[in-house]
Amino acid sequence: GDSVTQMEGPVTLSEEAFLTINCTYTATGYPSLFWYVQYPGEGLQLLLKATKADDKGSNKGFEATYRKETTSFHLEKGSVQVSDSAVYFCALSDILTGGGNKLTFGTGTQLKVEL
Amino acid sequence: KAGVTQTPRYLIKTRGQQVTLSCSPISGHRSVSWYQQTPGQGLQFLFEYFSETQRNKGNFPGRFSGRQFSNSRSEMNVSTLELGDSALYLCASSLGAAGVDTQYFGPGTRLTVL
Repeated sequence: GDSVTQMEGPVTLSEEAFLTINCTYTATGYPSLFWYVQYPGEGLQLLLKATKADDKGSNKGFEATYRKETTSFHLEKGSVQVSDSAVYFCALSDILTGGGNKLTFGTGTQLKVEL
Repeated sequence: KAGVTQTPRYLIKTRGQQVTLSCSPISGHRSVSWYQQTPGQGLQFLFEYFSETQRNKGNFPGRFSGRQFSNSRSEMNVSTLELGDSALYLCASSLGAAGVDTQYFGPGTRLTVL
């Protein structure tokens, strides 16, 4: 079945450092890929998405490129801020036999940004 | 446009009781999915409702059930609660269109079973 593997956390960075969170996936079909972010005590917020190979999703300075050849969707940001501290989830969504979608998530990577 | 809302935000129940959680999707969204989030198992798909019908189901026991109303609002019910049911329950809504659909999440209901 489908699966998502992302790097273990926590990741601790200084403000303005470069961020990479690795994400790889296994899927039988042609999934769409997502990054969601979860702040303490809240639900998941969609950060960015890509629906086909070579697409680049971007939002709020974060970027990720859908790489079919390496089955990866790594999240990057050039300069992190303290406000970026949160848990980041990589996910894939594939169309199910009966229609509809199901999100399969990675385990989440906690990011802590310090001054 | 208002986002996905879930009520209540927090619940405390004891073993053996049952509980009902509610989710109101984004206006115009016809699909509602439910996920369970726990520290040990992470985020797991429970089920999806579309046009008042359960369209997909995850790997959870029959104690977990749900329904969707004609206005797309959804409820999920957990009967005979167990300690392991303590979790954050997240609802997500999407348009329900053919093909891959982006899901938008609510703030969740934190259920504690004592």
